[in-house]
Amino acid sequence: KAGVTQTPRYLIKTRGQQVTLSCSPISGHRSVSWYQQTPGQGLQFLFEYFSETQRNKGNFPGRFSGRQFSNSRSEMNVSTLELGDSALYLCASSSGISDTQYFGPGTRLTVL
Amino acid sequence: SQQGEEDPQALSIQEGENATMNCSYKTSINNLQWYRQNSGRGLVHLILIRSNEREKHSGRLRVTLDTSKKSSSLLITASRAADTASYFCATDAGTGNQFYFGTGTSLTVIP
Repeated sequence: KAGVTQTPRYLIKTRGQQVTLSCSPISGHRSVSWYQQTPGQGLQFLFEYFSETQRNKGNFPGRFSGRQFSNSRSEMNVSTLELGDSALYLCASSSGISDTQYFGPGTRLTVL
Repeated sequence: SQQGEEDPQALSIQEGENATMNCSYKTSINNLQWYRQNSGRGLVHLILIRSNEREKHSGRLRVTLDTSKKSSSLLITASRAADTASYFCATDAGTGNQFYFGTGTSLTVIP
């Protein structure tokens, strides 16, 4: 099976802009989770989608949003970018609840 | 915060030696997972151990879980230079697939 894919791999934006990141889960996986990784805060949970519904949400401002499509592909959007949003954004897919999560390679976002 | 903590933060060993890293967490869990990350890349899943399991093996990896102490350890035997990476433990929040990651242990294996 193909692994989790994320696009784009690298992104450079300026403050105030918005960005959309995409994640394609492993075939058959219906759960997609998003994480933000920064040197200062480590890996932090953003949200999880299951069957097109947001099932869990982390402690991030409303500028961070996401959605999931009927084919389980997921997108996350960050509006009004801030310098502190510079991070590695990781997506993970899973087949069940509290099950193994398989991570994609990540999207490196740099906000200037 | 339920975030776990790994100990030590950094570990440097010679090739062929064993490496042990520990993870402590704060609340009850359904399972605990260990991941490896190479230099800012994606996380690679190593082992999942459920709360009713005490020990699990996978190749050169051995994971133990002590729910009474809320701690887990990852042992890598006969380490190789390719094992150089950061290692994270992750615990579930009890709802869906929300996981809390520890701060990570940076392992350097010297050839």
